[in-house]
This record gives sequence, structure tokens and C-alpha cells, in this order.
Amino acid sequence: GAVVSQHPSRVICKSGTSVKIECRSLDFQATTMFWYRQFPKQSLMLMATSNEGSKATYEQGVEKDKFLINHASLTLSTLTVTSAHPEDSSFYICSARGGPGLDGETQYFGPGTRLLVL
Amino acid sequence: AQSVAQPEDQVNVAEGNPLTVKCTYSVSGNPYLFWYVQYPNRGLQFLLKYITGDNLVKGSYGFEAEFNKSQTSFHLKKPSALVSDSALYFCAVIKAGAGSYQLTFGKGTKLSVIP
Repeated sequence: GAVVSQHPSRVICKSGTSVKIECRSLDFQATTMFWYRQFPKQSLMLMATSNEGSKATYEQGVEKDKFLINHASLTLSTLTVTSAHPEDSSFYICSARGGPGLDGETQYFGPGTRLLVL
Repeated sequence: AQSVAQPEDQVNVAEGNPLTVKCTYSVSGNPYLFWYVQYPNRGLQFLLKYITGDNLVKGSYGFEAEFNKSQTSFHLKKPSALVSDSALYFCAVIKAGAGSYQLTFGKGTKLSVIP
């Protein structure tokens, strides 16, 4: 149980294009989903928190117009990197947590998406 | 503000020996504490957590951790290390009762188990 998937696992795109990453909770309904960014040999940096049906809350320094987050259902959140540039190249990881009675304290992580912008 | 410190960037241990990965935390109020493991180019896998109750928590793959409130520590341990345990380990904390459930991570500790 508590499986989170991400798609795609790896994407290469040209500078100026947009890339969409999907995060799905496969066997539970996620009250909240989180998006992280991880640089090589570093810890995870929280980008934003999203609750189903409401606007995402972005961390300080994260451009909400560049990193569009949509949490349309209790099992799906998407992160769209708009007008991607080489400095956006990174490892993006999502996580999901269930509601009360569903081990609500624990975040379960997806396998990550490696983005390379040329 | 809450924070997590993992004082060791890397821990090396021989296969079959006990291992310890250290973690200390700082949070106002009661903490929820977590350990996650990350294999190369993968997401994080949940190992164990402390919410309340027994200070010794047992988790996946034979790992355990002990919550020590006086020392504000939550060290990860395993009695006998396997080569397959080699990975990056993250300690994380949430302030109990915080509605956002946002995790604060340590910087990570790379564990290398030597055959």
C-alpha cells in the first residue's frame, strides 16, 4: 500500500518549452501532495504544497507562474515547468499524504522525474 | 522554526557490523520524526517514524530508531549491516499539530556498507 507514481521518469526538452510531470497516489486518496526539487548530492527542497481543489501554496523564492501546480483530484497532481531553461534541470520528486485515519502524518514519495533542459 | 541535523555526511561500516546514522532535531513542541532512504536516481522510501508511545521504533528492512527527548535525537540503527543497505538516508521532522504536515529534512547521510 501507499504507492505513489510519477510520470515521466526522465524527460529531455529544449529551452523555452513546457514540461508536465504527473504525480499519482495509486492506492490511497491523498489529502495533500507536495513537490520537491533535489540538486545533486543535496537534500530535498520543498517547492509547494497542494490540496485537492485549492490553489497550491508555494515556498518563498519559488515562482508560481513558472512552476504551475494543479491538484485536480485526490489521486493526481501535476507540476508544469513553463518556458523551461537549463537552470531548471533537476530531479523533481512528489509526495502524498492521506487524511485522518489513513496514516496522515506520513508522506509517501514518488520515484522522481529527472528533467534535463538543453 | 524547526530543523534537523545529520552531523555525518558519510558513514562507512563493514558488512555484518552494527550501523548507526545520527540525527538530532530542533522543534518547538512535540516532534513527529521520520527516516527515509534514497537509492540512486530514485525517490525516497519510508523506513520508520516516531509519533508517540514507545521510544524504540522498529521499521522496514530491520532498521530501528530510538527517540530520545532529552538529547533531542532520533538515531537510526541496524544490528547487522548489509551491502544492500548502502544508500542515502534522510531524517525529517514535523511539528506535532502543525496543519501543513510539511517535512523538514536533514541534509542526508550517505551510508556505505563495505563487503
